[in-house]
Amino acid sequence: QAQLVESGGGVVQPGKSLRLSCAGSGFPFSTRGIHWVRQVPGKGLEWLAVTSYDANYKEVADSVKGRFSISRENSKNTVYLDMNSLRPEDTAVYYCARDAGIYSGLPREPFDVWGPGTMVTVFS
Amino acid sequence: ILMTQFPATLSVSPGETATLSCRASQNVGSKVAWYQQKPGQSPCLLISDASTRATGIPARFSGSGSGTDFTLTIIGLQSDDFALYYCQHYIYQSQWTFGQGTKVEV
Repeated sequence: QAQLVESGGGVVQPGKSLRLSCAGSGFPFSTRGIHWVRQVPGKGLEWLAVTSYDANYKEVADSVKGRFSISRENSKNTVYLDMNSLRPEDTAVYYCARDAGIYSGLPREPFDVWGPGTMVTVFS
Repeated sequence: ILMTQFPATLSVSPGETATLSCRASQNVGSKVAWYQQKPGQSPCLLISDASTRATGIPARFSGSGSGTDFTLTIIGLQSDDFALYYCQHYIYQSQWTFGQGTKVEV
């Protein structure tokens, strides 16, 4: 069945960078938009970024714009979230999630498959 | 667009009905989804387009509403249903905001 698995989380010092990966399997990865969402432990969900199936459309939330960027390599069935200038408040579980739209140039559907998440801790 | 969920916590007994509410700060049509999140797990899509159950979701889960007011109803709560529930709008790209969640507890 369709699966997403995040990797790359860990403990990092403030100001440093980290790259998260989201690997998809069990479905035609290159046909789907992929989102990143984070959740501070014990708190709610915050949408961060999206890439369309072909990477022609990308968007990043205002709260992380200029520090986070999203990219994808369909040949590797992988989407990345590059996080720079990390802050303690970026500490959270980071999820990738599949947009329910197929071949959508402007992903605008619910998130029908989620990965288990990867924890990022920004700590000095 | 802000999504406000209420109540924050809902205490119900197994077998009873739970009614969760979500209000959007402006008209989002029917572009609302509901997700369930159990402790230590990622969210799972329950409902899309305000009232369409996702694949494999039991019929005891139902969604309703349009415009600014939305409801998730769970009839005959089972032990597996005690969890966190989030609503989300998706009417505009780059603004996929979630509500703050409702915890359904015993």
